[in-house]
Amino acid sequence: QLQLQESGPGLVTPSQTLSLTCTVSGASITSLDYYWGWIRQPPGKGLEWIGNILYFGATSYNPSLKSRVAISVDRSDTSKNQFSLKLNSVTAADTGVYYCAVSPSSDRDWRPWGQGTLVTVSS
Amino acid sequence: QSVLTQPPSVSGAPGQRVTISCTGSRSNIGANYDVYWYQQLPGAAPKLLIYGNNKRPSGVPDRFSGSKSGTSASLAITGLQAEDEADYHCQSYDNSVGGYVVFGGGTKLTVL
Repeated sequence: QLQLQESGPGLVTPSQTLSLTCTVSGASITSLDYYWGWIRQPPGKGLEWIGNILYFGATSYNPSLKSRVAISVDRSDTSKNQFSLKLNSVTAADTGVYYCAVSPSSDRDWRPWGQGTLVTVSS
Repeated sequence: QSVLTQPPSVSGAPGQRVTISCTGSRSNIGANYDVYWYQQLPGAAPKLLIYGNNKRPSGVPDRFSGSKSGTSASLAITGLQAEDEADYHCQSYDNSVGGYVVFGGGTKLTVL
């Protein structure tokens, strides 16, 4: 059964870089059957797709975040079975719950999702 | 501002039927991309409720149904139960600006 778990700092200083990792179990991160993605949810608001990656490195990002975001797969040590998110120059507007999730295609549904991790941007 | 538009809230009494709309445009729902619906219980991650416009994953009661027409889609819930109180989100794909995943703003369902 495919499962995902987010990890990373819960507090980030404004103007710094938010870094999160998603650890996958039940499937290999090297599989070309899956798009590995990040989705976030500001407090009390709706969901916002951040972007996704295929194992061999092809990425797709939300146009509104494209200049600040990078999603990568740790190909140097695939035994970790992880992919990561970096969002730079953060502001309070980047505060929210960050989820990692998986999809069989770039235009399909996302399932399952990780439990989510709350990231607060504050000094 | 979400690309897909949903009503902020809907409500209904137990046993009633409610619908939640999801309005898009010609570059997403109207471009023949499928619509997906997620249920998000309080404090939990979203869970897929409807895929491919009107299909239910295993384990989802048939009280939940989805439909799509033109640039809009709808989620219907019949025989409303207290446990259905949650946030509901629609999702599709938009082929503008290189293509990207789009969500609605979410709808809070209150069971009276």
